[in-house]
Amino acid sequence: QSVLTQPPSASGTPGQRVTISCSGSSSNIGSNAVYWYQQLPGTAPKLLIYNNNQRPSGVPDRFSGSKSGTSASLAISGLQSEDEADYYCAAWHDSLNGVIFGGGTKLTVL
Amino acid sequence: EVQLVESGGGLVQPGGSLRLSCAASGFTFTVYAMSWVRQAPGKGLEWVSAVSPDGGSTYYADSVQGRFTISRDNSKNTLYLQMNSLSAEDTAVYYCAKSGGRSVAGMDFWGQGTLVTVSS
Repeated sequence: QSVLTQPPSASGTPGQRVTISCSGSSSNIGSNAVYWYQQLPGTAPKLLIYNNNQRPSGVPDRFSGSKSGTSASLAISGLQSEDEADYYCAAWHDSLNGVIFGGGTKLTVL
Repeated sequence: EVQLVESGGGLVQPGGSLRLSCAASGFTFTVYAMSWVRQAPGKGLEWVSAVSPDGGSTYYADSVQGRFTISRDNSKNTLYLQMNSLSAEDTAVYYCAKSGGRSVAGMDFWGQGTLVTVSS
């Protein structure tokens, strides 16, 4: 069981906006930055969002992140078929003194 | 261009040992923390361990504490993971990842992974 809680699945049609939630605690999200990763089938994860809401260069502005208290969200607008992937949130956990990942959300583009 | 190339994976018997390596290039290796992250077949990501830029500080997940040792050789731009007392639960693809900034949790480049299979 992951310390960060994500819905196991999400879906949307092309052009729609979808959001993926990530729920934690005061020991992780509440006191540290949140990161989001995209893992396309058969490939290594890729950093999608850092420091809660920042996009690395090359990541389309269709992807956005937000954080409030002990929860965070990833939003994908203008959904495209190539967005079909697994998405993971991550944060540093203070008392565990390590990184924790959410269980992952499988996004299906219908 | 940043490149991280893992090696050393393979089939090992329960109770055995394995040493993974990650050769880094395309960035100043001595500046960044590095991590190992694993993914069991069909499962999610699990952070395993991290090491500070100078190798002086190391961090481990509870699941591997006392069995795995992370290290780095900054003269060779190489990251290592020594894995002992392996069990079936350690079967996974192991990724090497570079931290991009202040937090180890922000891993901006990943290798392609190396598969470790623990089985008799």
